[in-house]
Amino acid sequence: SSELTQDPAVSVALGQTVRITCQGDSLRSYPANWYQQKPGQAPVLVIYGTDNRPSGIPDRFSGSSSGNTASLTITGAQAEDEADYYCNSRDSSGNPVAFGGGTKLTVL
Amino acid sequence: QVQLRESGPGLVKPSETLSLTCSVSGDSISDYYWSWIRQPPGKGLEWIGYVYYSGPTTYSPSLKSRVTISVDTSKGQFSLRLTSVTAADTAVYYCARTNYYDSSGSRLHASYMDVWGRGTTVTVSS
Repeated sequence: SSELTQDPAVSVALGQTVRITCQGDSLRSYPANWYQQKPGQAPVLVIYGTDNRPSGIPDRFSGSSSGNTASLTITGAQAEDEADYYCNSRDSSGNPVAFGGGTKLTVL
Repeated sequence: QVQLRESGPGLVKPSETLSLTCSVSGDSISDYYWSWIRQPPGKGLEWIGYVYYSGPTTYSPSLKSRVTISVDTSKGQFSLRLTSVTAADTAVYYCARTNYYDSSGSRLHASYMDVWGRGTTVTVSS
């Protein structure tokens, strides 16, 4: 089982705003990263260090964190944003890498 | 632009050893950590471990007894060995560059995978 917990599925209407969350005790101390994975493709980094966006990632993607919860927000979701999203950070035991179970985003 | 490519057998027999190599092109292998991550069919991502370019390794506790990750800087490659495989090791295996620094050069307290290979499917079956 993952020490980072994500909702299995979330949906959003085209053009609306959606927040995908990741919960875990380690997030009180460590920043979260977010990855987008489309079917048959490798994951792509969309947010790192809580709220940093790599070059080439649209600015509709943003990240934040409060307490034990990290969030990925997509403002004005597009059809091409339909994908699985994974959070990652350290785990609460000090291991350097843990992944959340993933959230399947459906754009209606 | 750095690119990663996984290579190795697509089929491994139960109880045998899975061996994969990741070739790094477009940039030096130095100054980074290099991870292996896997994804069983229809499931989420699982971190296997990483190696620093100079050799030190850290492994997932759940796989530590069976995993070895090594690096060959002269070839720009790093490798994964997973022993005593079972059907549960069937997965897409990804290699990824693992970074601890933000764009200003400040060190973060958690790493992130900023470049991924396309992945290679490994099936464990007799």
